[in-house]
Amino acid sequence: AQKVTQAQTEISVVEKEDVTLDCVYETRDTTYYLFWYKQPPSGELVFLIRRNSFDEQNEISGRYSWNFQKSTSSFNFTITASQVVDSAVYFCALSEAYSGAGSYQLTFGKGTKLSVIP
Amino acid sequence: DSGVTQTPKHLITATGQRVTLRCSPRSGDLSVYWYQQSLDQGLQFLIQYYNGEERAKGNILERFSAQQFPDLHSELNLSSLELGDSALYFCASSLGTGGSGNTIYFGEGSWLTVV
Repeated sequence: AQKVTQAQTEISVVEKEDVTLDCVYETRDTTYYLFWYKQPPSGELVFLIRRNSFDEQNEISGRYSWNFQKSTSSFNFTITASQVVDSAVYFCALSEAYSGAGSYQLTFGKGTKLSVIP
Repeated sequence: DSGVTQTPKHLITATGQRVTLRCSPRSGDLSVYWYQQSLDQGLQFLIQYYNGEERAKGNILERFSAQQFPDLHSELNLSSLELGDSALYFCASSLGTGGSGNTIYFGEGSWLTVV
């Protein structure tokens, strides 16, 4: 069975500090997909990134960057120069590819609550 | 704005009652998913529909049911409500299903409080 572990329950940083959110996953599949979502205090789930298991290239989007390492089954998320607006709960999620049945679903970690202090 | 629309945003109801949550997927998306977020269980997958057909079931209680209509909108019916059903219910949608890794976009959720 697939599993996602976000060991950091809560993190507090001072504005402009860099912060890394850890995500470790378990899966038996060789093809799978990893996601990060942001849940601000208002409650909605905002999609941030999707990564395919066969693409280990790291990605940078503005102040956000993601480090995918299959060897350690990790998909970590770094926010550079954090801002107060980054305060939210961040979820890492895993989707396995099911062949034939044509369905898949997301397994979420428990989330990491990030507080950025001005 | 993800393009996934959920109504109502908030509702309060009494134990034993029945409610219906409604979801309109993003334009062009054929898959609809329902997730439940509670403090103790976190985010849990309930059920998925693809083009009107049920595709996958997760931890959905027998008191809960869902369907996807020909216009692709979906409804989640929750009956005989209990205090423990209080949660944030998300609808999500994606273009396709199965092995393609389509991005799943979530709506803003429906906050259900059972009193």
